[in-house]
Amino acid sequence: SYELTQPPSVSVSPGQTASITCSGDKLGQRYPSWYQQKPGQSPLLVIYQDTKRPSGIPERFSGSSSGNTATLTISGTQAMDEADYYCQAWDSSAVVFGGGTKLTVL
Amino acid sequence: QLVQSGAEVKRPGASVRLSCKASGYTLTRNHIHWVRQAPGQGLEWMGIINPSDGGTLYAQQFQGRVTMTRDTSTGTVYMEVSRLRYEDTAIYHCARVSFQAFDIWGQGTMVTVSS
Repeated sequence: SYELTQPPSVSVSPGQTASITCSGDKLGQRYPSWYQQKPGQSPLLVIYQDTKRPSGIPERFSGSSSGNTATLTISGTQAMDEADYYCQAWDSSAVVFGGGTKLTVL
Repeated sequence: QLVQSGAEVKRPGASVRLSCKASGYTLTRNHIHWVRQAPGQGLEWMGIINPSDGGTLYAQQFQGRVTMTRDTSTGTVYMEVSRLRYEDTAIYHCARVSFQAFDIWGQGTMVTVSS
């Protein structure tokens, strides 16, 4: 079965750039998306189709991919960005999520 | 938005039926998926329903135990999980797909399996 691998945790200082990776076979061809989830809340879409940002998502969130790795980049990270982040991709008609990355802003 | 039914507490072996009602858009225009999250754990995909024709696809680990249906007259999709186990304790989300991503999520329904 298809799998997506994320680092369990990433730490960043306020104002710096955070990068969260997601790896999987031919991930760049599988329309990777990224979701932010804060405690007690439902996930929020922050990046879709690899690089696109939904309306209302700050410009500091960006996505990219190359081969088997997709990356979510948060530029000028703010305290409010502290959350769990999940990547997601398609395996034919099925959906796969990465295990999630806890972003700590300290 | 997607509005889900309230929390449930069930005994092991029982079934639970969850609902997810579309508000502000026509249900049949987008596929709906169900995703669950056990306490302190990540997101787990359960399956998809096409509200237009009722077609479904379930994740392999849930086949035979999950049934997704829809009622287009009320704009609601349902998911029934049977033969509940303790490890089915989780928050269950419905989510709408648009441009290959989940752009709208329900608020989640907590299901607790306890004797």
